[in-house]
Amino acid sequence: NAGVTQTPKFQVLKTGQSMTLQCAQDMNHEYMSWYRQDPGMGLRLIHYSVGAGITDQGEVPNGYNVSRSTTEDFPLRLLSAAPSQTSVYFCASSGMGRGSTEAFFGQGTRLTVV
Amino acid sequence: AQKITQTQPGMFVQEKEAVTLDCTYDTSDQSYGLFWYKQPSSGEMIFLIYQGSYDEQNATEGRYSLNFQKARKSANLVISASQLGDSAMYFCAMREYMEYGNKLVFGAGTILRVKS
Repeated sequence: NAGVTQTPKFQVLKTGQSMTLQCAQDMNHEYMSWYRQDPGMGLRLIHYSVGAGITDQGEVPNGYNVSRSTTEDFPLRLLSAAPSQTSVYFCASSGMGRGSTEAFFGQGTRLTVV
Repeated sequence: AQKITQTQPGMFVQEKEAVTLDCTYDTSDQSYGLFWYKQPSSGEMIFLIYQGSYDEQNATEGRYSLNFQKARKSANLVISASQLGDSAMYFCAMREYMEYGNKLVFGAGTILRVKS
């Protein structure tokens, strides 16, 4: 019963480096999303997807790319890391229907850019 | 524009007492969902309770209840009989249903500390 699997849990990057945060879910959820959590700011939506091949920007998309080639996977790419991207990142998935479609979250990735 | 507003950065409550965490939201949609999540110090996000915009009764889940006042656009979380394990960050969130899907947005959160 894996749910949402997010890797890595911790990462340190140097400014300018690139990396991909992986997110996979096994619940056949159409909706997947990435958030960043910063002190006093709550969870801010970076990008989201409502199905394979369909992505859209959230509140803070700059500096991040996403793609959704399969229902299961929704990776988040940092092309050129900046110290301002130091944060805790969460991936989440849920069904699309109206009703109590709670979002299931990964364990989070603590990213530090030095 | 801020969609979800949680005006209490931090709250204290005495063990066994009830506490209300405030949440107001902004939407022009008629159909939406409201959620509360708990984040303990370990960092995971735990779903607590859901309220649909068309639900006539306030949602309840054990010691959690959602005081939904649609006209005031508020969705306050009430925790009854607080326990030490309730100490955590609490997030209010809203799901807006759009033509091609939906998205879930969160407030800034409220840190709750339960005192013994």
